[in-house]
Order: sequence, then C-alpha cells, then structure tokens
Amino acid sequence: AQSVTQPDIHITVSEGASLELRCNYSYGATPYLFWYVQSPGQGLQLLLKYFSGDTLVQGIKGFEAEFKRSQSSFNLRKPSVHWSDAAEYFCAVGQYNNNDMRFGAGTRLTVKP
Amino acid sequence: GAVVSQHPSRVICKSGTSVKIECRSLDFQATTMFWYRQFPKQSLMLMATSNEGSKATYEQGVEKDKFLINHASLTLSTLTVTSAHPEDSSFYICSTAREGNYGYTFGSGTRLTVV
Repeated sequence: AQSVTQPDIHITVSEGASLELRCNYSYGATPYLFWYVQSPGQGLQLLLKYFSGDTLVQGIKGFEAEFKRSQSSFNLRKPSVHWSDAAEYFCAVGQYNNNDMRFGAGTRLTVKP
Repeated sequence: GAVVSQHPSRVICKSGTSVKIECRSLDFQATTMFWYRQFPKQSLMLMATSNEGSKATYEQGVEKDKFLINHASLTLSTLTVTSAHPEDSSFYICSTAREGNYGYTFGSGTRLTVV
C-alpha cells in the first residue's frame, strides 16, 4: 500500500531564508506525487505535481520540488520564503483519477519576521 | 483550472440533528468526487468516493449510514452527517479530478461544530 511520510511536523524559518520541506513515499509503482498548501480554515491548493519526465518540477508561488527515486523522496523547496507562505503543507501520493490518494501528516510552516 | 465550490463553509448544529454539505464542480462535469475529513492539526483522511448515478464507496471504518453521500448529478455531490454528535465535529473537504487534468481540485472545506 502506498504511504507518505513528512518527517517534520513544524518548521520555523526567517523571512527571506530558504526552505526545504521533506517528503518520503512508499509506492510499488511509479508514483504520482503532489504538494498542496492549506491556509487556516481553508481548502487545499495544489502547488505542483510530478508524474514523469523532468524530475525537477516547478510550481506556483516560486516553489519547486525534486523527485528522487533512489531516495523515495519528493522534497519541496523555495529559495526565499515570504511571510505569506506561512501555512500547512501536505505531500500526497496517488494515481491519476484514482481515489487511492494518500496524504502525509502535514508540515506546519511558521515564518519569522 | 477546475473550480470546486463547497457550501457551507461553517456550520454549527445541535447534537442529534443532521447537516448537509454540498460540493459543486462549477466548470466541468465530475463523475467522481471524494470526501475527506480532517481533524485539527492532522492530515486528510479519505472517507468515501462519490460516483455519479451509483452508490458511494466508503473507506474502512466509515459508517455509511451516518455519512450519507448522494451524487445525483455530474456537478453536485452532497454529504449528510446524520444524527450528528460532538465527535463528528471536524473539517470536511471535497475534491474531484477533472478528466485529463492531473491533480485533484479541492473545495474550500466545511467546518462542522456539533454542540
């Protein structure tokens, strides 16, 4: 069965600093990987996704993620964090148009002034 | 991109009453919608898959008689929490995947509080 692990429950970074959120997955086949962001009391917004091709994926809001099959990882990065990036971030693994989509536990990002 | 509208965004109800949550796909036809539940500071847990014109598929441990799902049209799925109790208080989110468009689109969620 597929699963997703986000090792960091809470991360605090200073505004302007770089950011990396970790995500490890377990999946028998080639995974479809996603990163979502959730602001308090809101739904989820898709940041980026990976299905195949270039392992470095560019997303919205300046985020990118790199798929590393050898490490079963799909870490999310941003070179310079803005205060508005403070939110909850979820990594997910699944299949296209399939209900078997699994979410990680989430990483809460706090941005210090 | 696909747009999913969820209503209401917040509802408070008395214990023992029922609450209906609507999820609409605004700009495309969604044959499949998904319902998730999210407890505070936790991840999303898939409750059920809603299929237009047929019965919903529930995940293990989810009471189908308590969480009634109806997907009567290609643009609307509803989740009814029946005989709600305080432990049903949670954040409920729907989503769907547009055909040919990888990645799910989520509604804005419904905060249910049962008092």
